Amino acid sequence: SQTIHQWPATLVQPVGSPLSLECTVEGTSNPNLYWYRQAAGRGLQLLFYSVGIGQISSEVPQNLSASRPQDRQFILSSKKLLLSDSGFYLCAWSVHKGLNPEAFFGQGTRLTVV
Amino acid sequence: AQSVTQLDSHVSVSEGTPVLLRCNYSSSYSPSLFWYVQHPNKGLQLLLKYTSAATLVKGINGFEAEFKKSETSFHLTKPSAHMSDAAEYFCVVRDLFSGGYNKLIFGAGTRLAVHP
Repeated sequence: SQTIHQWPATLVQPVGSPLSLECTVEGTSNPNLYWYRQAAGRGLQLLFYSVGIGQISSEVPQNLSASRPQDRQFILSSKKLLLSDSGFYLCAWSVHKGLNPEAFFGQGTRLTVV
Repeated sequence: AQSVTQLDSHVSVSEGTPVLLRCNYSSSYSPSLFWYVQHPNKGLQLLLKYTSAATLVKGINGFEAEFKKSETSFHLTKPSAHMSDAAEYFCVVRDLFSGGYNKLIFGAGTRLAVHP
């Protein structure tokens, strides 16, 4: 069965510090990968998606970047965090092609920028 | 463009009473629709999905939803609420024009409270 791992679960970082959140998927090959952000009291916003190694698309301009160095690894980064980067970050995967369009989510990372 | 509207931001029910979470969608084509549940500080779990098969979809934990094209609705129901159902629920539609990457469009969410 497929599993998705996301870490760390919680993170408190000072303004201006770098960020690296990691997500890995097991039990599937060539998945589509996604990073979402959920701000307090709001819905989910898609930040980045990737359909293959090294292929990253950004949905919204922001202070963050994403990379996919391996097939089942997706990393969210920032060189200098802003207060507005605080939120709940969720990694997700879906099959690349097929009849199952749903996404499967990790447990999330609560990021607080202070 | 596809979109979903969750009609209630908060719903409060007593344990053992029925649950109704309302969702309307907008789509020019037959959509793929989903309900996800999120417990506090947790990821999202898929409850059920509609992908143009049976209009009444049964999901996990006793939840079900009915796709009504004439009403453009996909309401989530459960006959009897349990305390463990207290969570946030998201209605989601797949963006049909997203090519191969399955872009999902989320509603704003409905927070369900269950009282003893």
